[in-house]
Amino acid sequence: AQKVTQAQTEISVVEKEDVTLDCVYETRDTTYYLFWYKQPPSGELVFLIRRNSFDEQNEISGRYSWNFQKSTSSFNFTITASQVVDSAVYFCALSEYSGTYKYIFGTGTRLKVLA
Amino acid sequence: EAGVAQSPRYKIIEKRQSVAFWCNPISGHATLYWYQQILGQGPKLLIQFQNNGVVDDSQLPKDRFSAERLKGVDSTLKIQPAKLEDSAVYLCASSLRSGIGNQPQHFGDGTRLSIL
Repeated sequence: AQKVTQAQTEISVVEKEDVTLDCVYETRDTTYYLFWYKQPPSGELVFLIRRNSFDEQNEISGRYSWNFQKSTSSFNFTITASQVVDSAVYFCALSEYSGTYKYIFGTGTRLKVLA
Repeated sequence: EAGVAQSPRYKIIEKRQSVAFWCNPISGHATLYWYQQILGQGPKLLIQFQNNGVVDDSQLPKDRFSAERLKGVDSTLKIQPAKLEDSAVYLCASSLRSGIGNQPQHFGDGTRLSIL
């Protein structure tokens, strides 16, 4: 069973629009961690945000915000006022314990921001 | 601080040949990861080191893939012999410590491997 699902394969928006990237996860652990990474065309994955399972407070950091809801096992990521430089593939990842903490990545959502 | 360094950036080989990738993690990072990322997919963990010991290699195809981190710093991933399905980007990442689930990983640029 896929543990991290990113149902949106590709999203296109016009610059300055807000965009939300969806992530649904599956885990039996009560303690786990969720992350968002950005992979620009250069290829290097860049860490963006993380959330602990015991802290459901949603936050805003600059143009980024996230909505963590344990009841629906979702960890959605929003970019406000998108810019062309936001164009990249975005990955949601789950860190859960199985002998050691392991990362499981989703399949990614390709975001295209058009000028 | 310097990031995770990987080389080569690109590699093209024929099937059944061997290939090796090198990774130098961020200074002071005890944990090193190798991932395989096939086009259109998310990274898949191949092997995880804590210092020079293997923590997890459950998804490493051990009949053809091997990896080492002899002095607990840089690491080498080898494929021998390569198959067509090994065509992918091989990513190296490091984190400060393992055993703590909230550690973000820092990634290198990756090595794009093409098998002809």
